[in-house]
Amino acid sequence: QSVLTQPPSASGTPGQRVYISCSGSSSNIGTNTVNWYQNLPGTAPKLLIYKDSQRPSRVPDRFSGSKSGTSASLAISGLQSEDEADYYCAAWDGSLNSVVFGGGTKLTVL
Amino acid sequence: QVQLVDSGGGVVQPGRSLKLSCAASGFNFNSYGMHWVRQAPGKGLEWVAFIWADGNNKYYADSVKGRFTISRDSSKNTLYLQMNSLRVEDTAVYYCAGDPPQSGYAFDNWGQGTLVTVSS
Repeated sequence: QSVLTQPPSASGTPGQRVYISCSGSSSNIGTNTVNWYQNLPGTAPKLLIYKDSQRPSRVPDRFSGSKSGTSASLAISGLQSEDEADYYCAAWDGSLNSVVFGGGTKLTVL
Repeated sequence: QVQLVDSGGGVVQPGRSLKLSCAASGFNFNSYGMHWVRQAPGKGLEWVAFIWADGNNKYYADSVKGRFTISRDSSKNTLYLQMNSLRVEDTAVYYCAGDPPQSGYAFDNWGQGTLVTVSS
C-alpha cells in the first residue's frame, strides 16, 4: 500500500492528451513539492518533472505537472508511442521523514 | 557527463550481508544529497535511504531501518549501502540517485542499478 495514490493504468491514442493523478496528504504533497519519473522496462527511472511543475531541459514540453492541495497531476500532450511506460509521483513526507512514491501508473498508447 | 555506476549486487542467502557501491562522476558529488531506491521484480519503486550532502544526517525506510546503513566517501566520490540481515523480500534492483541542492528531493540522475537476490 503506497503512501501516494495513483491509478494503476491509463491509456490514450497517439496525439491525445492524458492525465495521471497522484493523491497524498498534508504531510507530503500538502507541504512539499512533487516530482514525477518515467520508468521504461529494464531501464533506470528518469526525472520528468520536479518541484510540482518544473521540467528538466532535456524533457519535451509535452510533459507538464501541476498541484493543488494534496493532489498532483502529470499531463502528457501529443501522446506518442514512445511515451508508453510506467510513471511515478514522489514527494518528501515530513511525518515519516522519508521520500514516498506512488504505486505507479502504467501508460498504454493504443 | 554526469554518471552514477552501481555495483556490488549478487546472490546472497537470507541473514547474510552485502555492500553496494555507487561511483559518481561528472558533477559536484559533495553538494548532492544521495539516495538509494529499489525495485522488486514486477513491482514499483521503493525509496530505501537518504544521506545529506555533508553526511551528517541519514534517513531510512521503516522496512530497512536497523539493518541497512547508508554512507558516503567524499574523497572517492562514492556512495555505499551496507545491507545486513538480508531477507527474501529485499530482493530487488537497487539504484543510487542524486538529489541536487534546492531540488525538492528530485532525483535528477540515477545509476544503472544492481540486482540483489536473497535466496537460500
